[in-house]
Amino acid sequence: GQQVMQIPQYQHVQEGEDFTTYCNSSTTLSNIQWYKQRPGGHPVFLIQLVKSGEVKKQKRLTFQFGEAKKNSSLHITATQTTDVGTYFCAGWGGNEKLTFGTGTRLTIIP
Amino acid sequence: DTEVTQTPKHLVMGMTNKKSLKCEQHMGHRAMYWYKQKAKKPPELMFVYSYEKLSINESVPSRFSPECPNSSLLNLHLHALQPEDSALYLCASSQERGRVNYGYTFGSGTRLTVV
Repeated sequence: GQQVMQIPQYQHVQEGEDFTTYCNSSTTLSNIQWYKQRPGGHPVFLIQLVKSGEVKKQKRLTFQFGEAKKNSSLHITATQTTDVGTYFCAGWGGNEKLTFGTGTRLTIIP
Repeated sequence: DTEVTQTPKHLVMGMTNKKSLKCEQHMGHRAMYWYKQKAKKPPELMFVYSYEKLSINESVPSRFSPECPNSSLLNLHLHALQPEDSALYLCASSQERGRVNYGYTFGSGTRLTVV
């Protein structure tokens, strides 16, 4: 079945440093979505990418979808304490299911 | 209203109990989902309802029984659970199943402990 892996599993950064998480799918995806889950919270939808090579920005967050539509990345510039949480990519494949990646847990050192 | 409401927020139940989790949305979404999330793991799909009909059952044990009484409500009936079923149960909704242009809206979840 479809598998979606993320690296790194954990990332600790100093406040103000940049952060990147990478997402890789075993199969080609129709689209990829990104979610953020704060500690003790629930996943919150951030964005969706559909086109090959697509890049979208939300303030300090930059999302990319790979040319082959099998990988994606999320980059946060100048992290803040409010960025703490687990970031999940989620891929929509041919099985018409949204499969969540393994997640990257971001902690910020003030 | 842009929320998915889940009740209860916390539930402790014995292995012989019967309980139900409830989920409600008033966004006009026609697809609703149950996910299970263990600590430090991603959400795992359990059931998908599309237009109030069960579309996907991810080989979930029969001790979990979903129900969709109408387009706004989704229930998960629990019976004879095991301690390993303890987890965060998340309900989500989206515009339509299969239309990939919209993200999922998740509820805050029910944290279930089976003793």
